[in-house]
Amino acid sequence: EPEVTQTPSHQVTQMGQEVILRCVPISNHLYFYWYRQILGQKVEFLVSFYNNEISEKSEIFDDQFSVERPDGSNFTLKIRSTKLEDSAMYFCASSTSGGASETQYFGPGTRLLVL
Amino acid sequence: AQSVTQLGSHVSVSEGALVLLRCNYSSSVPPYLFWYVQYPNQGLQLLLKYTTGATLVKGINGFEAEFKKSETSFHLTKPSAHMSDAAEYFCAVRLTTGAGSYQLTFGKGTKLSVIP
Repeated sequence: EPEVTQTPSHQVTQMGQEVILRCVPISNHLYFYWYRQILGQKVEFLVSFYNNEISEKSEIFDDQFSVERPDGSNFTLKIRSTKLEDSAMYFCASSTSGGASETQYFGPGTRLLVL
Repeated sequence: AQSVTQLGSHVSVSEGALVLLRCNYSSSVPPYLFWYVQYPNQGLQLLLKYTTGATLVKGINGFEAEFKKSETSFHLTKPSAHMSDAAEYFCAVRLTTGAGSYQLTFGKGTKLSVIP
């Protein structure tokens, strides 16, 4: 069964450093998403992406964050200058279309620790 | 704006007992509703969803949920718990139209333990 994959599974970085989290969505999916979950808190939406553009973003997704689909398979989340509060589990998801009834398929997550 | 409340961060049941995980939502428009499950070291997997039609929705692994508009609830049930059901369960809503309709809004999750 096709699945969303994410690399790395864990990443430790120093405050102020740039990190890139990588995702390979399911191959025929057209909509891509990033969510995060700070330890003990809710899974929160960050951004949705379609046709090489951001279709929606949350208040969390400020200028420190960017997303890109650099080639036909990868979808990346970049944090330019990490802060301690960016420590979280980051989930990538994808769906065939952007319709509200469509299932979003999630990857296993990348656990980011900022020291 | 929409929000989800899951009552009970931890629920323990005996193997073979009824599983009931509670979810209440608030939304400015009637939403679509989802239950996801997360097993250790894995991603979120869809259990079931309500979009339109029958309010009692059946999902994978014997789970079902009933959408009750009057109670703004979407509780998840399973008649008989199995050891393999031990996981964290997330309820989520999604607006059907307009701003915010791309995103899932999640509850805090309920960790289910199954006692042999």
